[in-house]
Amino acid sequence: KQEVTQIPAALSVPEGENLVLNCSFTDSAIYNLQWFRQDPGKGLTSLLLIQSSQREQTSGRLNASLDKSSGRSTLYIAASQPGDSATYLCAVRPGGGSNYKLTFGKGTLLTVNP
Amino acid sequence: EAQVTQNPRYLITVTGKKLTVTCSQNMNHEYMSWYRQDPGLGLRQIYYSMNVEVTDKGDVPEGYKVSRKEKRNFPLILESPSPNQTSLYFCASSLSNKNTEAFFGQGTRLTVV
Repeated sequence: KQEVTQIPAALSVPEGENLVLNCSFTDSAIYNLQWFRQDPGKGLTSLLLIQSSQREQTSGRLNASLDKSSGRSTLYIAASQPGDSATYLCAVRPGGGSNYKLTFGKGTLLTVNP
Repeated sequence: EAQVTQNPRYLITVTGKKLTVTCSQNMNHEYMSWYRQDPGLGLRQIYYSMNVEVTDKGDVPEGYKVSRKEKRNFPLILESPSPNQTSLYFCASSLSNKNTEAFFGQGTRLTVV
């Protein structure tokens, strides 16, 4: 059974700092991994999608990497801003017969202090 | 604009009163799902649909029903809501069940008293 873990559960940093969020998964047979942002009381906003054949994806100040063989992904946020404060979730789409659902981690609550 | 739209955003209801949460997507996606999000448990899939008239149970289907009569719509039905169904609900859609991005709605905060 695929399990996804995100460490740390919460992170507080001063504005301007570069930071890394971690995501690990137990089964390397995945189609893709997706990073989401969730603001309080709001929905999930897709940030980056990495296919299983890719090593990384970039969007603006965000860079996500994927090491499928070791079951790890990182989300790097450069020059953090208070507006980046949110919960960040990673989710994997399993390969094979369980690919109708995403398996989510419990998220990292990021606070960027002005 | 490509989007998944859920209604209502917030709902307070009483135990046993049937309710429906609607979900609509404008991307012609084949796959749609419902998830619930609870503190400490994360997001769990309730039901999913692979296409019109094709649905199946997810991890936590008890107490819920779904239907997929049109490709764009995937309503979630609680025929007799109970307090343990108080949760934040999300609808999601994707073009396929493999190498495609999943899009989520804004969520429905349901409270059953």
